[in-house]
Amino acid sequence: SQTIHQWPATLVQPVGSPLSLECTVEGTSNPNLYWYRQAAGRGLQLLFYSVGIGQISSEVPQNLSASRPQDRQFILSSKKLLLSDSGFYLCAWSSFGQGELAFFGQGTRLTVV
Amino acid sequence: KQEVTQIPAALSVPEGENLVLNCSFTDSAIYNLQWFRQDPGKGLTSLLLIQSSQREQTSGRLNASLDKSSGRSTLYIAASQPGDSATYLCAVNSNSGYALNFGKGTSLLVTP
Repeated sequence: SQTIHQWPATLVQPVGSPLSLECTVEGTSNPNLYWYRQAAGRGLQLLFYSVGIGQISSEVPQNLSASRPQDRQFILSSKKLLLSDSGFYLCAWSSFGQGELAFFGQGTRLTVV
Repeated sequence: KQEVTQIPAALSVPEGENLVLNCSFTDSAIYNLQWFRQDPGKGLTSLLLIQSSQREQTSGRLNASLDKSSGRSTLYIAASQPGDSATYLCAVNSNSGYALNFGKGTSLLVTP
């Protein structure tokens, strides 16, 4: 069966520090991968998606970047965090073979102080 | 750009009631629509997936319908229970391999 792992679960980082959030998927190959952010009182906002290794599409300009070094690994990064980067970050995957049913990780609560 | 709206934003019902959550979207050219459940501080759990060619899907006490031409979907929860308390999110996928457009959710509280 397929599983998605996302870590860490919570993170408190000072302004200006770097960030690296990791997401891995097991039990499937060539998944579509996504990073979303959920800010308080707002809906889920798509940050990045990837349909293959090294292929990254960004939906909104921001202080973040994403990379997909392996087929089932998706990394969200920042060189210098801003206060506005605080939020709940969710990784997800889907595949055409499963009708694009989306599966989400448990999320990372990031607080920038 | 696809916009997804969910009504109501919050709902409180006594245990045992049947209830309907509404979702509307502006562009009827969709690939599929999903309903998710989110518990506080947790990730999303997929409840039902409706492909664009389908009109409804059922899972246990949940039934989701899709009227693509009018840009609407409803999630029907039968015989609600306190354990159903959560935020319910509707999301539309406009194309295969693309990301979901989410509504802001309906926060449901089922009281004993």
